[in-house]
Amino acid sequence: EAGVTQFPSHSVIEKGQTVTLRCDPISGHDNLYWYRRVMGKEIKFLLHFVKESKQDESGMPNNRFLAERTGGTYSTLKVQPAELEDSGVYFCASSLGLAGASNEQFFGPGTRLTVL
Amino acid sequence: GDSVTQMEGPVTLSEEAFLTINCTYTATGYPSLFWYVQYPGEGLQLLLKATKADDKGSNKGFEATYRKETTSFHLEKGSVQVSDSAVYFCALKHTGNQFYFGTGTSLTVIP
Repeated sequence: EAGVTQFPSHSVIEKGQTVTLRCDPISGHDNLYWYRRVMGKEIKFLLHFVKESKQDESGMPNNRFLAERTGGTYSTLKVQPAELEDSGVYFCASSLGLAGASNEQFFGPGTRLTVL
Repeated sequence: GDSVTQMEGPVTLSEEAFLTINCTYTATGYPSLFWYVQYPGEGLQLLLKATKADDKGSNKGFEATYRKETTSFHLEKGSVQVSDSAVYFCALKHTGNQFYFGTGTSLTVIP
């Protein structure tokens, strides 16, 4: 069974440009999460989808970030326009039920975003 | 609010050395506690977990005990191997959707 995949693995863009990150969760996983790790800092929660609905987007830093999950399968995270402080590694995770002690979340390898 | 503090790295050990990576947390009530490991080029993987005070999580020779009195969940392994080289993240989950992660501790084990 395929794990969580993310595309691209690396992205280097200039400030002001737009970038779209993609996450394909494990098939059948209704719950999908986005996280971000800024260099040397903790991994921070961005948002949580249940199927195509945003369950919690309290971690989204500002309105330059837009996440979608049309059809409840893959998800995209768009940053427009990108700023220097957006650089970091963006992780996606998925779980069958709500992630926690009873439901393991499975992580993708991450997308490393560098904004110059 | 909820948070996790873990010891800064990087940590470099010789093979067969004893490993401790400290993790303390701040949370009201009784969160669940986790250790995740990220091997080079891969995503985070759940290493072990504990859901209540005095629980011990264990996996692959690693152990961590949920200490409510000291709000800690330190990761230990008695004899590390080169293949344990990775970044280790402590995390907690309380009520709601969010996991709270620490900053990660990079471990390198040299032969």
